[in-house]
Amino acid sequence: GENVEQHPSTLSVQEGDSAVIKCTYSDSASNYFPWYKQELGKRPQLIIDIRSNVGEKKDQRIAVTLNKTAKHFSLHITETQPEDSAVYFCAASKGYSTLTFGKGTMLLVSP
Amino acid sequence: EAQVTQNPRYLITVTGKKLTVTCSQNMNHEYMSWYRQDPGLGLRQIYYSMNVEVTDKGDVPEGYKVSRKEKRNFPLILESPSPNQTSLYFCASSLTVGTAGPQHFGDGTRLSIL
Repeated sequence: GENVEQHPSTLSVQEGDSAVIKCTYSDSASNYFPWYKQELGKRPQLIIDIRSNVGEKKDQRIAVTLNKTAKHFSLHITETQPEDSAVYFCAASKGYSTLTFGKGTMLLVSP
Repeated sequence: EAQVTQNPRYLITVTGKKLTVTCSQNMNHEYMSWYRQDPGLGLRQIYYSMNVEVTDKGDVPEGYKVSRKEKRNFPLILESPSPNQTSLYFCASSLTVGTAGPQHFGDGTRLSIL
């Protein structure tokens, strides 16, 4: 089955800095790659997603890049703010099959 | 309001006592799934359903059952719960068009099996 590795497990940045979280996947047939943000005690919420026919997608301060050849995708957050502090999960899926998540990255943005 | 509703939100029970966690969505979504979240392990998919009467195993299905008799409901059944099933459970749904789409998660059910 699919295996998704996520790094780093924790990331501390100063407010205003950029943050990058990286994920690799094992199944070259995977074609859908979402990112979720989970605040403490809350449910995961989709923040951005990308499909395999696109190399990059941006939404305000958040961007995701996908390298199909290398089988990795990354989340980029610019101008970080304290409210960006949360756990971020990447995931990969193909067709209607299972959605496999990475183990998560705890992002801490210090004022 | 579009939402995924899980019940109960919290449950403490004992080993071997059958329990059901209900999940209902009001968005007419085809795809529904169950996940468990454990510290350091992220979210792991238990079962998923592509439509009514169509279910399939995820990555960690052992000890769980599901059913999809109606499009809006997808209950998770633990026939004989054990302590290693103590976890935070999330139900999710998505509107699929040929592929998995954005998952809308419920608020979670914290289950403790003593």
